[in-house]
Amino acid sequence: QKEVEQNSGPLSVPEGAIASLNCTYSDRVSQSFFWYRQYSGKSPELIMSIYSNGDKEDGRFTAQLNKASQYVSLLIRDSQPSDSATYLCAAPSNSGYSTLTFGKGTMLLVSP
Amino acid sequence: GAGVSQTPSNKVTEKGKYVELRCDPISGHTALYWYRQSLGQGPEFLIYFQGTGAADDSGLPNDRFFAVRPEGSVSTLKIQRTERGDSAVYLCASSLGGMDNEQFFGPGTRLTVL
Repeated sequence: QKEVEQNSGPLSVPEGAIASLNCTYSDRVSQSFFWYRQYSGKSPELIMSIYSNGDKEDGRFTAQLNKASQYVSLLIRDSQPSDSATYLCAAPSNSGYSTLTFGKGTMLLVSP
Repeated sequence: GAGVSQTPSNKVTEKGKYVELRCDPISGHTALYWYRQSLGQGPEFLIYFQGTGAADDSGLPNDRFFAVRPEGSVSTLKIQRTERGDSAVYLCASSLGGMDNEQFFGPGTRLTVL
């Protein structure tokens, strides 16, 4: 059974700082990874997908993938209080690439 | 454009009752997924449809849970003889299918079994 591990946090950073969120996964087969943001009481919102080793940037967000180390991270530059949320990492499940296994999420708190 | 919609947003029922939860995916998305999420946990996969057929139902916890998607669009998750442990947020997601697996979630249905 695939496992996706995240530190539950909370990760606290001051406004304007870089927030670094990390995720590890248990197998070497996964080809794609996804980061979702979930505000309290809301559903997950897709913010980044990454399929290749290296970095992928989208605005203030950078996803980093290292398949050899089975590690994927999300960097948020110039963190804002509105970034305060739980960030979920997801990877395709063992049962098929179409379904996702999620980590428990890391809570990020950005203080003004 | 319209996102994934789910109804009802909240459902309170009594133990032993039957419930139906509805999901309307993004137009043109052939793949539809049901997940459920408990407090402090990530979403947990239940069932995946590609078109009208259930391509993977390995996440359904037992035979009280069943889902259909008769016309390849709207899906209904059905739970028989509800138990208090079924209380959770039930999330529906859709994607274009194929190798594009970017899944977009609806707002969820919060189910409370008393």
